[in-house]
Amino acid sequence: AQSVSQHNHHVILSEAASLELGCNYSYGGTVNLFWYVQYPGQHLQLLLKYFSGDPLVKGIKGFEAEFIKSKFSFNLRKPSVQWSDTAEYFCAVRKGSQGNLIFGKGTKLSVKP
Amino acid sequence: DADVTQTPRNRITKTGKRIMLECSQTKGHDRMYWYRQDPGLGLRLIYYSFDVKDINKGEISDGYSVSRQAQAKFSLSLESAIPNQTALYFCATSDLRSRAAVRNEQFFGPGTRLTVL
Repeated sequence: AQSVSQHNHHVILSEAASLELGCNYSYGGTVNLFWYVQYPGQHLQLLLKYFSGDPLVKGIKGFEAEFIKSKFSFNLRKPSVQWSDTAEYFCAVRKGSQGNLIFGKGTKLSVKP
Repeated sequence: DADVTQTPRNRITKTGKRIMLECSQTKGHDRMYWYRQDPGLGLRLIYYSFDVKDINKGEISDGYSVSRQAQAKFSLSLESAIPNQTALYFCATSDLRSRAAVRNEQFFGPGTRLTVL
C-alpha cells in the first residue's frame, strides 16, 4: 500500500534558523505531491504542490520543496523561519492525477522567538 | 477556507448517541471528502464522493456513514458514537473540472471537534 513518511514528529528551532522537513513516499509511479500547513486552531491550507516540470517548487510564505524522484522524496525547506511559522506541517501524496490524497502523520514545528 | 463550512464546530456527546456532522461548500466543486485527524496519526480518509450518486469508502469507514444530499452538501453520521471516535473531523472539496493550476487541490473546512464521553 502507498504510504507517506514524515521523519520528524516535532522540530524546535530558533527564529532565523533554516528549516528542512523530510517527506518520503512509497509509490513508484507518477505522483502529485503536496505540503499543507495547519496553524494552531485552524484548518489545513496548501503551502505548495508539485504536479510536473521543475522539481523545485516555490510556495507561499517563503517555503519551497524539492522533488527528488530517485529518492522518492519531497522535502520542505525555508531558509529562515519566523515565530509565525509555528504550525503542523503535512506532506501528502496522490497516485497519478485521480487517486485520493495520502497524508503523512505530520511534523510539528515550534519556533522560539 | 470560508467557502467550505462545517457545523457544528464543537460537539460533546455520549457513547451510543447518533451524531451528524454537516459540510457545505459554495465552491461548486464536484468532489467532497471526510477526514478525521488524530494526534500523531495525521489525516485519514473516512469517505469520499465524486458526485451526488457516487459514494466511496476511505481508509477508515467502519462506524461511519455519509450522505451526499446535493452537490454542495456532504454529511457524516456516527450511528452509535464510541469514545475512540473522539477526533477532529475535516471536510474537504476538490474539482477535476478546474483549470490546471488548481485541479486536484483540496480545500479544507474549519473542522469539527467531536468528543465522545
